Amino acid sequence: QKEVEQDPGPLSVPEGAIVSLNCTYSNSAFQYFMWYRQYSRKGPELLMYTYSSGNKEDGRFTAQVDKSSKYISLFIRDSQPSDSATYLCASQYNFNKFYFGSGTKLNVKP
Amino acid sequence: ETGVTQSPTHLIKTRGQQVTLRCSSQSGHNTVSWYQQALGQGPQFIFQYYREEKNGRGNFPPRFSGLQFPNYSSELNVNALELDDSALYLCASSLGQGGSGYTFGSGTRLTVV
Repeated sequence: QKEVEQDPGPLSVPEGAIVSLNCTYSNSAFQYFMWYRQYSRKGPELLMYTYSSGNKEDGRFTAQVDKSSKYISLFIRDSQPSDSATYLCASQYNFNKFYFGSGTKLNVKP
Repeated sequence: ETGVTQSPTHLIKTRGQQVTLRCSSQSGHNTVSWYQQALGQGPQFIFQYYREEKNGRGNFPPRFSGLQFPNYSSELNVNALELDDSALYLCASSLGQGGSGYTFGSGTRLTVV
C-alpha cells in the first residue's frame, strides 16, 4: 500500500466550475499536508500547506484535512484554464519522511 | 539569483554509464532534497542534505549518491545506469529540513538508452 494515494484522473471541467481533488493516506503519524501544482516540464510549486486537521483558504483555493478518515482535499473555485496542470498532494511526519501522491491531471476547458 | 536552478535540463545516457546532476539552491536555503519522478508518477524521495550532512534517504540503491557543498549547492550521482533510471530528477531547496518550504527546480530529464 502506498503511503499517499491519489486518483490520477484526468479530470476535465468547464471554466468556472468548482474542482475537487482528493487524496487518502495510510500513516496516522502524518502531521503536515501539502498541495503542489506542476505544469508540464516544470517542477512542482507549493499551493497550500496545512498542519493537522482543518481547513485553510487562500484565494480560490481551499485545502481540507480530515485526520479521522485520513482524507486530504483541495477545492478550486471559479476554475480557470490557467489552472490546468497536475496537482500533487503530499504528506509529511518527519523532516525527511515526505511522500507525494501520484498526481491528478486537471484540464479546465475555456 | 533567486529560485532553484538545475543542470543540465536534458540528458541522454547509455545503460551502464554514470551521470552527475547539479543543483543550485535558492539563496538563503541550507537544505537540499533530491527526488525522482517517473512519467505519470509523483516524486519519490531519494535523499536530503542539511548543511552538507546527509540526514535522510529513501528506498534507492547505493549507486545513487550525492554531495552538498559549502555554498549549499548539490550534486546527484548515479552509477551503473539502468533503463528504469529514466525519469525527471528534481532538486528542492528549503531553509531548514521541513517540506513546507520546498522550492523545486524545473528538473533534469534523464533518458537512459
